[in-house]
Amino acid sequence: AQTVTQSQPEMSVQEAETVTLSCTYDTSESDYYLFWYKQPPSRQMILVIRQEAYKQQNATENRFSVNFQKAAKSFSLKISDSQLGDAAMYFCAYRLNTGTASKLTFGTGTRLQVTL
Amino acid sequence: GAVVSQHPSWVICKSGTSVKIECRSLDFQATTMFWYRQFPKQSLMLMATSNEGSKATYEQGVEKDKFLINHASLTLSTLTVTSAHPEDSSFYICSASRGVNSPLHFGNGTRLTVT
Repeated sequence: AQTVTQSQPEMSVQEAETVTLSCTYDTSESDYYLFWYKQPPSRQMILVIRQEAYKQQNATENRFSVNFQKAAKSFSLKISDSQLGDAAMYFCAYRLNTGTASKLTFGTGTRLQVTL
Repeated sequence: GAVVSQHPSWVICKSGTSVKIECRSLDFQATTMFWYRQFPKQSLMLMATSNEGSKATYEQGVEKDKFLINHASLTLSTLTVTSAHPEDSSFYICSASRGVNSPLHFGNGTRLTVT
């Protein structure tokens, strides 16, 4: 079974600074997707960024970028120029590419605080 | 973009009663939807995979007779919590995908409180 581990229950960053959230996963598969979701106090799940395992290039979405290390099974999220609105729970997630719509397996989450 | 609507957003019910939660894909057809449960300060745990026109697939430890799932059309899946108890109080979230390579889109969730 696939597992996703987030070892940082909480992180804090000052506004305008950069922070990196860690995520490791365990799988014996080679074709899968990895995601970072943001969950603000409203509890709406918001997709931040996604990475396809067969792509070596790290995904980037504006201030958000990932460091995908397939061999090490590591998938960290870097948030640059942090803003107050970035404060939320962040979940790393794994999804096997089965050729059909497949489930997401989530990590335990990291609560990010952004301070002035 | 794809939108998933979930209703109600919150509900309070008495112990022993049943509650139905609806999940609709508003602008796309979803043959598969997923139901997650999230306890306070915890992660999302998959409860079951809802398949249009067939029986749902439940995760280990989830009682299928207690959490009834019906996926009668390509745009609607329902989760019914039967004979609810206080320990069923939780945040329930559904999700659906437009297609195989599309990301999952989430509903806004339903906060269930059983008194």
